[in-house]
Amino acid sequence: DAKTTQPPSMDCAEGRAANLPCNHSTISGNEYVYWYRQIHSQGPQYIIHGLKNNETNEMASLIITEDRKSSTLILPHATLRDTAVYYCIVRVKGTSGSRLTFGEGTQLTVNP
Amino acid sequence: SAVISQKPSRDICQRGTSLTIQCQVDSQVTMMFWYRQQPGQSLTLIATANQGSEATYESGFVIDKFPISRPNLTFSTLTVSNMSPEDSSIYLCSVEGRGQRHTGELFFGEGSRLTVL
Repeated sequence: DAKTTQPPSMDCAEGRAANLPCNHSTISGNEYVYWYRQIHSQGPQYIIHGLKNNETNEMASLIITEDRKSSTLILPHATLRDTAVYYCIVRVKGTSGSRLTFGEGTQLTVNP
Repeated sequence: SAVISQKPSRDICQRGTSLTIQCQVDSQVTMMFWYRQQPGQSLTLIATANQGSEATYESGFVIDKFPISRPNLTFSTLTVSNMSPEDSSIYLCSVEGRGQRHTGELFFGEGSRLTVL
């Protein structure tokens, strides 16, 4: 699985959009970008994933650059409950083992 | 999606003892995964548990220290053997989502927080 690079921490004001970047310059053509988050003392939670097109669901939007070497997770209206560690992971979808390699992630703090 | 229950949610154990963590899933799954999260750190995969075969361990983890059982398609256990304070961690069970919409997603239990004195 390709390695990802994320800033260790970010701050965001409540109600504003939170934009979390991720670099994955060695991503392969068949690797997807997945985003998870982990709220303190809880198990990680799936947010969204994509291959090359931008994706949106009820939680967030995922913007993947045309060369697929980086992506941005967007929380359109951050709330205090969005404070968590956000992990960007790239892997081949559906491969046996479903091994996920977690990096250090970004600690997002949403401030009132 | 999948609902995953882990027991115990937390425990405090003495050095040298062993603890078995249980993971129950509300649907049948082929593979179950055990992760460890040491204090202040990210998640590390310990092993993949397949029903009907030996678990596959990641580099740095061995069966004698972390024996795993997988008796059926909805249940697995992880034992942390001969514990030392360095084993103090959160241990998490996870499974992959089923169906086209969820393929590739991992669902996690709430974890078992282990403190070794």
